[in-house]
Amino acid sequence: GIQVEQSPPDLILQEGANSTLRCNFSDSVNNLQWFHQNPWGQLINLFYIPSGTKQNGRLSATTVATERYSLLYISSSQTTDSGVYFCAVGYGQNFVFGPGTRLSVLP
Amino acid sequence: DAMVIQNPRYQVTQFGKPVTLSCSQTLNHNVMYWYQQKSSQAPKLLFHYYDKDFNNEADTPDNFQSRRPNTSFCFLDIRSPGLGDAAMYLCATSRDAGGGTSRRNNEQFFGPGTRLTVL
Repeated sequence: GIQVEQSPPDLILQEGANSTLRCNFSDSVNNLQWFHQNPWGQLINLFYIPSGTKQNGRLSATTVATERYSLLYISSSQTTDSGVYFCAVGYGQNFVFGPGTRLSVLP
Repeated sequence: DAMVIQNPRYQVTQFGKPVTLSCSQTLNHNVMYWYQQKSSQAPKLLFHYYDKDFNNEADTPDNFQSRRPNTSFCFLDIRSPGLGDAAMYLCATSRDAGGGTSRRNNEQFFGPGTRLTVL
């Protein structure tokens, strides 16, 4: 089956810093999403981005489908950005999540 | 607002006692998914319904069953919960982006989850 990797596994930042999270996948996909999981376990949709670049406020994402990776950029990080960030890829009718990046933003 | 609702948010059951988790949606999406997420792990797909077609992941235990009586509702039944089934259970929906034999998935939307404790 398809393999999904995320890096780094853990990231600690000072408030105001910028960061880049990476998602690599081993095969062609028809869907890619980035999620933020809050402390209560809710998965919040950040981006639906099978290809190209999107921006939403301080967050932006880029997927290069031909090279099988996606990047999530967080600028001017805030303490409320803390949590786990997952990428999930879809192929056919199935979805596979990466292992996540745990982000801690310190005040 | 259109949304995905899961009830209950917290469920406590006893070892071996059947339990049912429910999910409803007002998005009118034709695909519904159930995921299991254990502590410090990624969500893992258990099964999904494409309309009324049930699709089971190969490694989903037989202890887990699902029902979808209509478009809006989907249930997860755990017939004999074990201690290893304690987890967060997440329901998600999406609208099919393909058709016919070329089914593929569009953006997923998740409910808040049900946290299951097994005593």
